[in-house]
Amino acid sequence: NAGVTQTPKFRVLKTGQSMTLLCAQDMNHEYMYWYRQDPGMGLRLIHYSVGEGTTAKGEVPDGYNVSRLKKQNFLLGLESAAPSQTSVYFCASSPHSPYEQYFGPGTRLTVT
Amino acid sequence: GDSVTQMEGPVTLSEEAFLTINCTYTATGYPSLFWYVQYPGEGLQLLLKATKADDKGSNKGFEATYRKETTSFHLEKGSVQVSDSAVYFCALVDLYTGANSKLTFGKGITLSVRP
Repeated sequence: NAGVTQTPKFRVLKTGQSMTLLCAQDMNHEYMYWYRQDPGMGLRLIHYSVGEGTTAKGEVPDGYNVSRLKKQNFLLGLESAAPSQTSVYFCASSPHSPYEQYFGPGTRLTVT
Repeated sequence: GDSVTQMEGPVTLSEEAFLTINCTYTATGYPSLFWYVQYPGEGLQLLLKATKADDKGSNKGFEATYRKETTSFHLEKGSVQVSDSAVYFCALVDLYTGANSKLTFGKGITLSVRP
């Protein structure tokens, strides 16, 4: 039982490049989330999903897209990376509500 | 909208000192309150929670009481250890705001405990 895993752990991109971050959970959770963590800003919600095939915008969705084609996976895409997207990205999941969330270890992304 | 305000940090304490981390909230409905902890290099994990007024959450020697009259959920520990060094986040979820209610986090505070 791995919980929530994220791939990759680290990535460096040049401005304008694209990439996809993968989040996987093996707990059969309905809800999944993508956050970014920046110094002094806490965690900010990018996008979330309340079930397979659904996605919704969070607090800071601009510049990101997501997909939830399978219940266990939640993908975060950056179509054209910008230096402002340099951050640590966390994925989380929860059973049937946002009540108790389980977090992955994070992905550190640097955009130069 | 909902919001969580945490005291400014960082906080540095000596081992066995008493810890208080303040947290106040604003919510439109009847929120549930949480403390999450993030150890160095890891993701967040739930430390404790309280779902209604006057509830006390506790775990690993940490406690927090849901005070509706002061809209607060302060985190306390009687004797901190070096292993408690981490970032602590206060959070709320207001399930009465709709099916798509979400966790709202404070900015977090860094605790360093020296031997």
